[in-house]
Amino acid sequence: QSVLTQPPSVSAAPGQTVTISCSGSSSNIGNNYVSWYQQLPGTAPKLLIFDNDKRPSGIPDRFSGSKSGTSATLGLTGLQTGDEADYYCGTWDSGSLSVVFGGGTKLTVL
Amino acid sequence: QVQLVQSGAEVKKPGSSVKVSCNTSGGTFSSYAITWVRQAPGQGLEWMGGIIPIFGTVNYAQKFQGRVTITADTSTSTAYMDLSSLKSEDTAVYYCARTYCTGGVCPYRGDVWGQGTTVTVSS
Repeated sequence: QSVLTQPPSVSAAPGQTVTISCSGSSSNIGNNYVSWYQQLPGTAPKLLIFDNDKRPSGIPDRFSGSKSGTSATLGLTGLQTGDEADYYCGTWDSGSLSVVFGGGTKLTVL
Repeated sequence: QVQLVQSGAEVKKPGSSVKVSCNTSGGTFSSYAITWVRQAPGQGLEWMGGIIPIFGTVNYAQKFQGRVTITADTSTSTAYMDLSSLKSEDTAVYYCARTYCTGGVCPYRGDVWGQGTTVTVSS
C-alpha cells in the first residue's frame, strides 16, 4: 500500500492528452514539492518534473506538472508511442521523514 | 557529463549481507544528496534512505532501520548501500540517484539515476 495514490493505468490515443493524478496528505504533498518520474520498460526511472512544475533540461514541454492542496497532476500532451511507460509521483513526507512514492501508473498509448 | 555507475548483479543467501556501490562522476561529490531506491519484480519504487555528504546527514526509511547502512567515500566519489539479514523479499533492483544541493537545500528527489543493481536472494 503506497502512501501516495495513483491510478494503476491510463490510456489514450496517439496525439491525445492524458493526465495522471497523485493524491496524498498534508504531511507529504500538501507541504512539500512533488516530483514525477518516467520509467520505460527495463530501464531506470528518469526525472520528468521537479518542484511541482519544473522540467529538467532536455524534458520536452509536452510534459507538465501542477499541484493543488494535497494532490498533484502530471500532464502529457501530443502522446507518442514512445511515451508508453510507468509514471511515478514522489515527495518528502514530513511525518515519517522519508521519501514516499505513488504506486505507479502504467500509460498505454493505443 | 554526470554519470552514476553501480556495481554488478549479486546473488546472496538468506541471512547474508550485500553491499552495492554507486560511483559518481561529474561535479563535486559532496555537493550532492545521494538517495537509494529499490524496486521488487513487478512492483513500484521504494525509498530506502539517503546521504548528504556535505552535512554528514544520513536518513533511513523506518522499514529498513537497523538493517541498512548508507555511507559515502568522498575521496572516490562513491556511495554505498549495505543491506543485512537478507530475505527473499529483498530480491529487487537497487538504484542510486543524485541531486545537486542548491541554496543549502539537498532534496532526495534523484535528478540523475544509476543503471540499477539486481540483487537476488535465494537459498
